Amino acid sequence: AQTVTQSQPEMSVQEAETVTLSCTYDTSESNYYLFWYKQPPSRQMILVIRQEAYKQQNATENRFSVNFQKAAKSFSLKISDSQLGDTAMYFCAFINTGANSKLTFGKGITLSVRP
Amino acid sequence: DGGITQSPKYLFRKEGQNVTLSCEQNLNHDAMYWYRQDPGQGLRLIYYSQIVNDFQKGDIAEGYSVSREKKESFPLTVTSAQKNPTAFYLCASSIDPDRDEAFFGQGTRLTVV
Repeated sequence: AQTVTQSQPEMSVQEAETVTLSCTYDTSESNYYLFWYKQPPSRQMILVIRQEAYKQQNATENRFSVNFQKAAKSFSLKISDSQLGDTAMYFCAFINTGANSKLTFGKGITLSVRP
Repeated sequence: DGGITQSPKYLFRKEGQNVTLSCEQNLNHDAMYWYRQDPGQGLRLIYYSQIVNDFQKGDIAEGYSVSREKKESFPLTVTSAQKNPTAFYLCASSIDPDRDEAFFGQGTRLTVV
């Protein structure tokens, strides 16, 4: 069975600084996709970034980037130049390819950006 | 505008009553999902459907039922067999369930009293 683990329940960062959110996963598949989602206080889920397992290059979207370590099954999210609007819950998610593929989420981490 | 619509936003029901949560999408997505969100639990998968007239149980399907008679619609029924139904429910859809990110509705907060 595939699992996604986010071991840090909460983090805090000063505005304009950099923060890294951790995520590990477990799968026996070789091809899969990884995601980070943001859930602000409005509770609307928003996709932050996507990584394809067969690509060695780490994905980047503006201030958001990932550190994808396939051998270690690690997928961390780095937020640079943190902004107050980054305050939210962040969920790591995983989808395997193949029959009955499904999107599995971690328990999430609450990030607070301090002014 | 294309998107996923969940209704209602807030729902109150008496204990022992079945209740159906609506989820409609006009994105022409094949796959649809229902998740339950509780504090400290993240998103847990209830049911998912990759194609019309077919669906599979997720990790916490007990006490829930779904149907997928149309591509656009994936309603979730919370039955009286669900022991702790009060939660935030999220519906999502994706183009390709093997690879694509899911797009989410705004959620339904169900409170059973």
